[in-house]
Amino acid sequence: GDSVTQMEGPVTLSEEAFLTINCTYTATGYPSLFWYVQYPGEGLQLLLKATKADDKGSNKGFEATYRKETTSFHLEKGSVQVSDSAVYFCAPYNNNDMRFGAGTRLTVKP
Amino acid sequence: EAQVTQNPRYLITVTGKKLTVTCSQNMNHEYMSWYRQDPGLGLRQIYYSMNVEVTDKGDVPEGYKVSRKEKRNFPLILESPSPNQTSLYFCASSWKRGGTHEQYFGPGTRLTVT
Repeated sequence: GDSVTQMEGPVTLSEEAFLTINCTYTATGYPSLFWYVQYPGEGLQLLLKATKADDKGSNKGFEATYRKETTSFHLEKGSVQVSDSAVYFCAPYNNNDMRFGAGTRLTVKP
Repeated sequence: EAQVTQNPRYLITVTGKKLTVTCSQNMNHEYMSWYRQDPGLGLRQIYYSMNVEVTDKGDVPEGYKVSRKEKRNFPLILESPSPNQTSLYFCASSWKRGGTHEQYFGPGTRLTVT
């Protein structure tokens, strides 16, 4: 069946550092791809999405590009802030089924 | 304000004592679902509902029940809770099931079964 593999955390960065969180998936067909973020004590919320190959989703300075050839959807941000500290989930959607990765906890230190 | 609410937010109970976690959304969404979140496992779907009176099992339905009598409400029922159901539970809703539709999540219910 479909699956998603996310970079293991936790990830600790200094403010203004560059962030990459890797996500790869296995799926038949062409899934839509999502990144959700969970801030401390809250539910998940959509961060960005891409629905077809080569699409780039972006929001709040985060970006991810749908790479069909490598079945990847890596999350990047050029300069992280303390307020970006959260857990990030990669989630491909395919065939009426959404799968969530295990989550990557990011801590940004001042 | 568009939101998904869950109650209670925290619950400690004992094995075998029936409990219900309520979920309500005010966005007139058709699709609702329940997830549990466990360390290292991400979110796993318990049950989902495509619309009123239409429910189906997700990946980990054992030990849980749901009902969808009204569009806005989707309670999760644990008839006889066991310690392996200790987890963080999230309710979510969206216009349709998946696709490009964003899911809106509740704040979570942390359940401890002793």
